[in-house]
Amino acid sequence: RKEVEQDPGPFNVPEGATVAFNCTYSNSASQSFFWYRQDCRKEPKLLMSVYSSGNEDGRFTAQLNRASQYISLLIRDSKLSDSATYLCVVNMFSGGYNKLIFGAGTRLAVHP
Amino acid sequence: DGGITQSPKYLFRKEGQNVTLSCEQNLNHDAMYWYRQDPGQGLRLIYYSQIVNDFQKGDIAEGYSVSREKKESFPLTVTSAQKNPTAFYLCASSMWETQYFGPGTRLLVL
Repeated sequence: RKEVEQDPGPFNVPEGATVAFNCTYSNSASQSFFWYRQDCRKEPKLLMSVYSSGNEDGRFTAQLNRASQYISLLIRDSKLSDSATYLCVVNMFSGGYNKLIFGAGTRLAVHP
Repeated sequence: DGGITQSPKYLFRKEGQNVTLSCEQNLNHDAMYWYRQDPGQGLRLIYYSQIVNDFQKGDIAEGYSVSREKKESFPLTVTSAQKNPTAFYLCASSMWETQYFGPGTRLLVL
């Protein structure tokens, strides 16, 4: 079983749609959680951290369910510029350093 | 501008050749990391360093080597022992738990 699992997609949605991505992680000792965005042939960029209470940044909402070991990302009012791969990332502090475990990513394609 | 730079953007390796990828950061971050990304896969950790003159193997260190002589610099050498080096290589740095990435180097084998 992969440590971080995501639906690879692609999710093809029209502009203005609401789309949700899910992610599960296997290690209950995981301490912090992130969503990164990666454009084609570019580096990953931090989109947002994910907190147990849930957090929102504009059109983006992230949720964490520690009991189910589940993380979600909701994008409202999708824009063409949201087309990218979204990486679910889990952090464990182990052996004296912060180890990030990356999911393989979920591809989003927003069309006119 | 503060950030992480990687060079070159593209690198071609011949059979049996060692090549070195550059990573420099001016963010004053203590920790630096090297990852490898293959198509359709998540990033995998090659090496990391938390402090100058110290570094540790990650999950896929075989065939790679690093050095950390300066806080700002963390070069990665892909040795001839790495039999499948074609990939996208990403360098990252962090002060706490959030990592920031450089633009990457794409390595291809001739």
